[in-house]
Amino acid sequence: GAGVSQSPSNKVTEKGKDVELRCDPISGHTALYWYRQSLGQGLEFLIYFQGNSAPDKSGLPSDRFSAERTGGSVSTLTIQRTQQEDSAVYLCASSPAEVNEQFFGPGTRLTVL
Amino acid sequence: GENVEQHPSTLSVQEGDSAVIKCTYSDSASNYFPWYKQELGKRPQLIIDIRSNVGEKKDQRIAVTLNKTAKHFSLHITETQPEDSAVYFCAAWAGTALIFGKGTTLSVSS
Repeated sequence: GAGVSQSPSNKVTEKGKDVELRCDPISGHTALYWYRQSLGQGLEFLIYFQGNSAPDKSGLPSDRFSAERTGGSVSTLTIQRTQQEDSAVYLCASSPAEVNEQFFGPGTRLTVL
Repeated sequence: GENVEQHPSTLSVQEGDSAVIKCTYSDSASNYFPWYKQELGKRPQLIIDIRSNVGEKKDQRIAVTLNKTAKHFSLHITETQPEDSAVYFCAAWAGTALIFGKGTTLSVSS
């Protein structure tokens, strides 16, 4: 079946611009996660959605970052007033249950000039 | 919050040798410990996981051990092959999310 998809695959933007990154999880998966992976680094947790519960935003690095999940499916990560340090690969993952294997999308490579 | 330390950061072995990667975690309440493999330019993929109610789990050439008392867990790969070359990440479930180690770059030379 279809896996997790993300768009765009690459995004180049100028410092100060806003960007939106999209994630389509596996159908039926109730849990959705966003991570950030900087060059040579591990995966940094950003935000977690579980069903209709309020999201866990504890990993968001600043108030320039926000995310929403509409209808319990598609999620959008928005970064406002982008900075060069926001350059990274943004990975989305979904899971059929809270404590279970997470299936990752291919990521969006964000470059802020 | 949960903190996961992973060692070594790089590991080079000859084909056929064994490879061991170790992780420690800080939150004694963590109860799920997966290992992900990420090949260059690819997405991370789960290779094995273990829950806190068992001490060891094997899947062909891969095994994971968990010591809850010491709060550490390890990945063991036997009879390594060139296709095992990748970055390996350990993680611990911290109540609402996985906290990942910084990764180990494994290189298997033939």
